[in-house]
Amino acid sequence: KQEVTQIPAALSVPEGENLVLNCSFTDSAIYNLQWFRQDPGKGLTSLLLIQSSQREQTSGRLNASLDKSSGRSTLYIAASQPGDSATYLCAAPLGGSTLGRLYFGRGTQLTVWP
Amino acid sequence: DGGITQSPKYLFRKEGQNVTLSCEQNLNHDAMYWYRQDPGQGLRLIYYSQIVNDFQKGDIAEGYSVSREKKESFPLTVTSAQKNPTAFYLCASRFGETQYFGPGTRLLVL
Repeated sequence: KQEVTQIPAALSVPEGENLVLNCSFTDSAIYNLQWFRQDPGKGLTSLLLIQSSQREQTSGRLNASLDKSSGRSTLYIAASQPGDSATYLCAAPLGGSTLGRLYFGRGTQLTVWP
Repeated sequence: DGGITQSPKYLFRKEGQNVTLSCEQNLNHDAMYWYRQDPGQGLRLIYYSQIVNDFQKGDIAEGYSVSREKKESFPLTVTSAQKNPTAFYLCASRFGETQYFGPGTRLLVL
């Protein structure tokens, strides 16, 4: 069964901390992985798309890494801020799908308190 | 403004009623997707369309139907056969390998 798993399900940290969100997947042949942010009651916003040929992708304070051999991706958030509070989801096209079919993890709900 | 719009924001369904959720995009994307999100769950794919007049079932298509008569529109009908329709419904379109999402419609059963 193709699966994407995210740990932890929830994370609460004080402002300023650096933190890591984890994503694991069952298909080592994926060709990319995407990280999204979701605010309560809203749609998803794409944060980073990392290709299988890349090991890392950076955008501002966010850095995503991808290790296909171990079936893992991490999203690193530097110097966290209260505005980073949201649910973060990872998604990948498992099973060799080239039709844009994404499989999502359940997300990590992040709270950054002042 | 380019983007994806979904309407209504909230929708109430009575027992035995069919309801239709609207999804429109002006991004000129060929591929569009419908996902369902339940509390504490990841998104699950209902239907997707790669091109006008063509669509395929996703993982949880039972009780749902779609049409793709125009490139910019991909409406989802929740039929009376869907016994547990209460959820947050998200529409997306794709350019390259990136999916872009609408704001969602929350469906509630009266």
